[in-house]
Amino acid sequence: DQQVKQNSPSLSVQEGRISILNCDYTNSMFDYFLWYKKYPAEGPTFLISISSIKDKNEDGRFTVFLNKSAKHLSLHIVPSQPGDSAVYFCAASGQDGGATNKLIFGTGTLLAVQP
Amino acid sequence: ETGVTQTPRHLVMGMTNKKSLKCEQHLGHNAMYWYKQSAKKPLELMFVYSLEERVENNSVPSRFSPECPNSSHLFLHLHTLQPEDSALYLCASSQDVQGYTEAFFGQGTRLTVV
Repeated sequence: DQQVKQNSPSLSVQEGRISILNCDYTNSMFDYFLWYKKYPAEGPTFLISISSIKDKNEDGRFTVFLNKSAKHLSLHIVPSQPGDSAVYFCAASGQDGGATNKLIFGTGTLLAVQP
Repeated sequence: ETGVTQTPRHLVMGMTNKKSLKCEQHLGHNAMYWYKQSAKKPLELMFVYSLEERVENNSVPSRFSPECPNSSHLFLHLHTLQPEDSALYLCASSQDVQGYTEAFFGQGTRLTVV
């Protein structure tokens, strides 16, 4: 059973508009969340993260929101640019008793920003 | 040099072959990881190494054998693989296995088992 879910496999947005990527999780022990971006033929690259003690973290055009009660986080990109077109992975981690901080990933959302 | 380097980028092997994937990190990190990405599936954690010691093995079949000779290098030895093992294999590193820091990924090895 997937602990991190990205229910939208793809999203298309016009350049200059806002892109909103969503992620849901089931494990209440998760306390650190990350977004990664992946271009074809490259490995995932870290984008932004948020700790469970916060509900918002902003870095330039990228903002991540965390709603712990709903076990939901989202990534907002504004304004969207064609270079943002990539697959976006949501990931979560937490100390699971095994003394290992490991990342659990979602299946990814392919974002296409149209010029 | 990029932070995490994987070789080869592409590999085609028969089910009776033995091959190895190599990963090298130049970031001074203490933790290294192998992930598998199959089509339409999330990245799956396979192995975790901390200071050259394996700290996690996520029920991975024995036909995958990791090796970490030092904190900068990680190998994945492959033997008698199955076609369903065809996937993108990603290596990653992080400062430590404890605490909350991001992992840095290599470009991956696209493996095809024929």
